[in-house]
Amino acid sequence: ETGVTQTPRHLVMGMTNKKSLKCEQHLGHNAMYWYKQSAKKPLELMFVYSLEERVENNSVPSRFSPECPNSSHLFLHLHTLQPEDSALYLCASSMAAGNTEAFFGQGTRLTVV
Amino acid sequence: GENVEQHPSTLSVQEGDSAVIKCTYSDSASNYFPWYKQELGKGPQLIIDIRSNVGEKKDQRIAVTLNKTAKHFSLHITETQPEDSAVYFCAAITSYNTDKLIFGTGTRLQVFP
Repeated sequence: ETGVTQTPRHLVMGMTNKKSLKCEQHLGHNAMYWYKQSAKKPLELMFVYSLEERVENNSVPSRFSPECPNSSHLFLHLHTLQPEDSALYLCASSMAAGNTEAFFGQGTRLTVV
Repeated sequence: GENVEQHPSTLSVQEGDSAVIKCTYSDSASNYFPWYKQELGKGPQLIIDIRSNVGEKKDQRIAVTLNKTAKHFSLHITETQPEDSAVYFCAAITSYNTDKLIFGTGTRLQVFP
């Protein structure tokens, strides 16, 4: 248990659906991240939030929309996804956006059909 | 930007033997190098990290070495045990405007009893 909780653990959605992934941390961290993990590829950083402000948007398509309402919660809103978006989506948090330890959640396994 | 390469992609060892995983990075300004272990169904978990002001760090059976001149760093696991079986990721952090972790492609380590 890392202190970072993601829900749901698994999600199957159609290409026309709208869904949201949720991440929660109660570690007192100020930075939160979304990563995409695909088979045989490095973890890809998608978004970075520091003190609820987005500081990095790593050229992610607009069909992925993050939201950080407070420092403990992070959402990833999904709409009109493609099958190639199927992957494990990992949330992480750290004390600050920088070279400090990142704590990862268990991820949401997303399948787009 | 930073590029991290990791080798090998898979590694099989007998219990009790040592395992070595190597990574190279491209950005000479990188100054933080963590290693993460990801077990099946879980998110990555930090196992050891090293900063650019030291050349080696050890924690029980695991150690990490850093060669800044050659821009490579390695993970060493001695006296391997079956529970060491997992996917291991190296990472390096860029130190530009927003520090962000760049991950290697991962090494699947299998320790046979």
